[in-house]
Amino acid sequence: QSVLTQPASVSGSPGQSITISCTGTGGAFGGYFSVSWYQQHPGKAPKLTIYDVTNRPSGVSDRFSGSKSANTASLTISGLQAEDEADYFCSSYTGTNTWVFGGGTKLTVL
Amino acid sequence: EVQLLESGGGSVRPGGSLRLSCAASGFNFNIFAMSWVRQAPGKGLEWVSAIFGNGFTTYYADSVKGRFIISRDNSRNTLYLQMNSLRADDTAVYYCARYAGNPIEKWSFDYWGQGTLVPVSS
Repeated sequence: QSVLTQPASVSGSPGQSITISCTGTGGAFGGYFSVSWYQQHPGKAPKLTIYDVTNRPSGVSDRFSGSKSANTASLTISGLQAEDEADYFCSSYTGTNTWVFGGGTKLTVL
Repeated sequence: EVQLLESGGGSVRPGGSLRLSCAASGFNFNIFAMSWVRQAPGKGLEWVSAIFGNGFTTYYADSVKGRFIISRDNSRNTLYLQMNSLRADDTAVYYCARYAGNPIEKWSFDYWGQGTLVPVSS
């Protein structure tokens, strides 16, 4: 059973940087498996924010960056803005023809 | 512009059936794998099912295997999810999402529909 674990909440003040972690167990992030990140504002559909660990889709601010070390991936948001307040989810292929999402992290901009 | 528009949601009783549709536009639908992802009220995202561009390869989460069927009509640029034997814990907003990237280990969900709500209740 692949599981991705995220902190339930993080917070930061405008202009600060925050990092959200995503730790994989049971096969998730195994070897070359990639990770993607999604931003979701209340009542809206998720939006791809980072793909293949470090890549930003066109139109996503360069304040968003991703990294991965061993079985933990991270999403860093620098220069925090009020509009960044949202839920963030990580996701990965599990290796057994399924995909898994982390439980989500609520970002509060103080 | 890529657009995904879900429809077919609505209230259903436990044990009932429902078919969701997702109309795609703005891209070459038949070369992209597609998926369904759901979100129970106030909860996180849960991957439900995937289908390759040719429609012949399908995958399911254990929670829906044997009850849900994913399919597509490439001539109509439409994705479907047939949901049978519905349970209360299937209550969720159902999103269709497009896969992007290669190989499969790097697939991500690059475009999402707005979602359609399926409440299952007696």
